[in-house]
Amino acid sequence: AQTVTQSQPEMSVQEAETVTLSCTYDTSESDYYLFWYKQPPSRQMILVIRQEAYKQQNATENRFSVNFQKAAKSFSLKISDSQLGDAAMYFCAYRSAGGSEKLVFGKGTKLTVNP
Amino acid sequence: KAGVTQTPRYLIKTRGQQVTLSCSPISGHRSVSWYQQTPGQGLQFLFEYFSETQRNKGNFPGRFSGRQFSNSRSEMNVSTLELGDSALYLCASSSGLAGTDTQYFGPGTRLTVL
Repeated sequence: AQTVTQSQPEMSVQEAETVTLSCTYDTSESDYYLFWYKQPPSRQMILVIRQEAYKQQNATENRFSVNFQKAAKSFSLKISDSQLGDAAMYFCAYRSAGGSEKLVFGKGTKLTVNP
Repeated sequence: KAGVTQTPRYLIKTRGQQVTLSCSPISGHRSVSWYQQTPGQGLQFLFEYFSETQRNKGNFPGRFSGRQFSNSRSEMNVSTLELGDSALYLCASSSGLAGTDTQYFGPGTRLTVL
């Protein structure tokens, strides 16, 4: 079974600075997808960024980028120029490349952005 | 396009009762997945439905069940409620057809069992 580990329960960053959230995963599969989801205090889960395991190039979405290290099974999220609106719980998630949409989530990292 | 909607948003039940939660996916989406979120266990996968068929199931007791209708709307049912069933129940929808599909989450139903 696949597992996802987020070793940082809480992180804080100053507004306009950069922060990196860590995620490691365990799988025996070679093809899969990795995601970072954001859950603000209002509770609506929002997709931040997605990475296909077969792609060597790291995904980027505006101020958000990932460092995907397939051999190390590591998938960290970098948030540049942090904004107050980035404050939320961030969840790393894994999905197999098979037919199911099942996501395996990490425990989450609570990000605080200080003004 | 309307997002994923879940009803009701809040529920209070007592132990032993049963409850039904509803999820309406984004128009055109055929896959609906359900997750239970608790402070202790985090986000745990309950089940996934695609075109009215259960495609995958998580490790939950048989008291948890679900179904999907021909219009892709989905319901989950929890019978004989226990205190530990108190949680935020999230549903997510996607087209279910492609590997790079994105799942869109609803706002959740907050269930409190007294």
